Amino acid sequence: ETGVTQSPTHLIKTRGQQVTLRCSSQSGHNTVSWYQQALGQGPQFIFQYYREEENGRGNFPPRFSGLQFPNYSSELNVNALELDDSALYLCASSPTGLNTGELFFGEGSRLTVL
Amino acid sequence: RKEVEQDPGPFNVPEGATVAFNCTYSNSASQSFFWYRQDCRKEPKLLMSVYSSGNEDGRFTAQLNRASQYISLLIRDSKLSDSATYLCVVGPKGNEKLTFGTGTRLTIIP
Repeated sequence: ETGVTQSPTHLIKTRGQQVTLRCSSQSGHNTVSWYQQALGQGPQFIFQYYREEENGRGNFPPRFSGLQFPNYSSELNVNALELDDSALYLCASSPTGLNTGELFFGEGSRLTVL
Repeated sequence: RKEVEQDPGPFNVPEGATVAFNCTYSNSASQSFFWYRQDCRKEPKLLMSVYSSGNEDGRFTAQLNRASQYISLLIRDSKLSDSATYLCVVGPKGNEKLTFGTGTRLTIIP
């Protein structure tokens, strides 16, 4: 069983640029959530996707957007990058119908904005 | 006030000791409670869910006090491999919109 995979693992951007991060969910999981984890902080909920629709959003501006594809993989897009966007971006998948609350995280994409 | 508050530590505890972590949450409507573990530079992983009646998994015991909006985690007979950051996690339902605390860093000393 393949776990959650994310790409790229590391990237460096400059202020004002745009970035796309990708996530492949674990086999059998159709819900994907994205979290931002700044250094020394806990993960912060960005949004969740279920059946290609956004299913809840945290306190992030509209320049954070996402997509979920028919194969349940997902993208996180961030426009007009700011220095404070530097963080580890975690994707997590979970199966539907199993309301245990467990999220299966990928290893993350570490974004540095200069 | 933060939605989920934890003592960031660090807690430096000798091997074999018992250690307890506490966490408070602000939203009384919360229905989902968890402890996640995060090793250095790795992703978080579920340690255990927390139920109102309290629950135990081997050396780990979790308690929830809804009246005080307080969650605890007790680790008995601590092992070197328990060294990690422990994240208190609260949500409205299931795995939706989970709110993570900043984490409590634990180091077990030989």
